[in-house]
Amino acid sequence: QKEVEQDPGPLSVPEGAIVSLNCTYSNSAFQYFMWYRQYSRKGPELLMYTYSSGNKEDGRFTAQVDKSSKYISLFIRDSQPSDSATYLCALKENQAGTALIFGKGTTLSVSS
Amino acid sequence: GAGVSQSPSNKVTEKGKDVELRCDPISGHTALYWYRQSLGQGLEFLIYFQGNSAPDKSGLPSDRFSAERTGGSVSTLTIQRTQQEDSAVYLCASSPGLAGGNTQYFGPGTRLTVL
Repeated sequence: QKEVEQDPGPLSVPEGAIVSLNCTYSNSAFQYFMWYRQYSRKGPELLMYTYSSGNKEDGRFTAQVDKSSKYISLFIRDSQPSDSATYLCALKENQAGTALIFGKGTTLSVSS
Repeated sequence: GAGVSQSPSNKVTEKGKDVELRCDPISGHTALYWYRQSLGQGLEFLIYFQGNSAPDKSGLPSDRFSAERTGGSVSTLTIQRTQQEDSAVYLCASSPGLAGGNTQYFGPGTRLTVL
């Protein structure tokens, strides 16, 4: 079993839809949870960062972490064609400079 | 300010040749990371630098891969005797360091194709 599982999609939705993206993980030592967005032929850019369990909201984006279930989610409200990209979850064990462990990414397409 | 930059953006090489990939981190960032992104494999960690030292090299796939960082800034990833399975996008990221280190900022990557 991989450390982080993420459905690769593709996920296609109409403009204005609510999108739910998810990752599950097996290592209970993960404490830091991030979502990156990657456009085609570009580097990943950080969207959301959460420490431990709970919710975090930023504009149309909401990140949720449920450590008891080892499950993290990213919700996108009022999705736009510009949200079409690959979304990667990334997890980290501790504060010190260790590597991020990434899911394989979910490809999202929002049609106008 | 400027973000992470990488060069070249694309590199095509023949099997068996050596290649060097360069990363310029965000100014002042003490931590630097190399990752590899291949089709179907996602992003895989290669090596982490704090300053000029590399406390974690655990992701380097073989001894054909090496990296160095000089002056606490620029880093070079070298792949010797390239193989076709080395074809991937090589991404560099930097972060402020141990104190503020969870936010990693990525460069655009170098797309390596080994023929």
